[in-house]
Amino acid sequence: NAGVMQNPRHLVRRRGQEARLRCSPMKGHSHVYWYRQLPEEGLKFMVYLQKENIIDESGMPKERFSAEFPKEGPSILRIQQVVRGDSAAYFCASSQRQGMVANNEQFFGPGTRLTVL
Amino acid sequence: AQTVTQSQPEMSVQEAETVTLSCTYDTSESDYYLFWYKQPPSRQMILVIRQEAYKQQNATENRFSVNFQKAAKSFSLKISDSQLGDAAMYFCAYRSSGGGADGLTFGKGTHLIIQP
Repeated sequence: NAGVMQNPRHLVRRRGQEARLRCSPMKGHSHVYWYRQLPEEGLKFMVYLQKENIIDESGMPKERFSAEFPKEGPSILRIQQVVRGDSAAYFCASSQRQGMVANNEQFFGPGTRLTVL
Repeated sequence: AQTVTQSQPEMSVQEAETVTLSCTYDTSESDYYLFWYKQPPSRQMILVIRQEAYKQQNATENRFSVNFQKAAKSFSLKISDSQLGDAAMYFCAYRSSGGGADGLTFGKGTHLIIQP
């Protein structure tokens, strides 16, 4: 039973390029969360998605960042025109729900470390 | 907005001894969840223990236990019989009980060093 998969594990981009980070949730999980971890910091929530819906994007920067979770395929976090300040580890987590109650554990992937040159 | 504070950037303990990591949080909600996550050098986030705010009993998982003081908004982690494999960053996290706000709010972490 595979856990949460993220790829690539390491991504190097030059300033101005685009970065695409992928996350495949655990089997049976339909909820995905993206977090960013800057050096020496804790994880910061970015966005929460269900299939084809963005539920909460309160932590997403207003510009250059977008996320999707299509009906088929992985969730994608897209960063356009990257800058050096985007260098960080980006973690994806997935969870199930039981009815209307969101009390299930979030299982984390291994993260993607983005380096912007 | 909720905040989580970990006031100990680094802690050191002798192998086999007990260590307590501190966490306080601020919220106006009455129902929520609290977590401790471990992040070893591999950077994988591993859930150590969780606590539902409506439960008065402190959660326990083998050598890991919490001291949950709801009125004081305190959620400390006690690690008994420390082992070398416990060395890692430890993050305290908060999550609302529902309403779509499911994202975790993390503290800045405590770096735990185990002295052999």
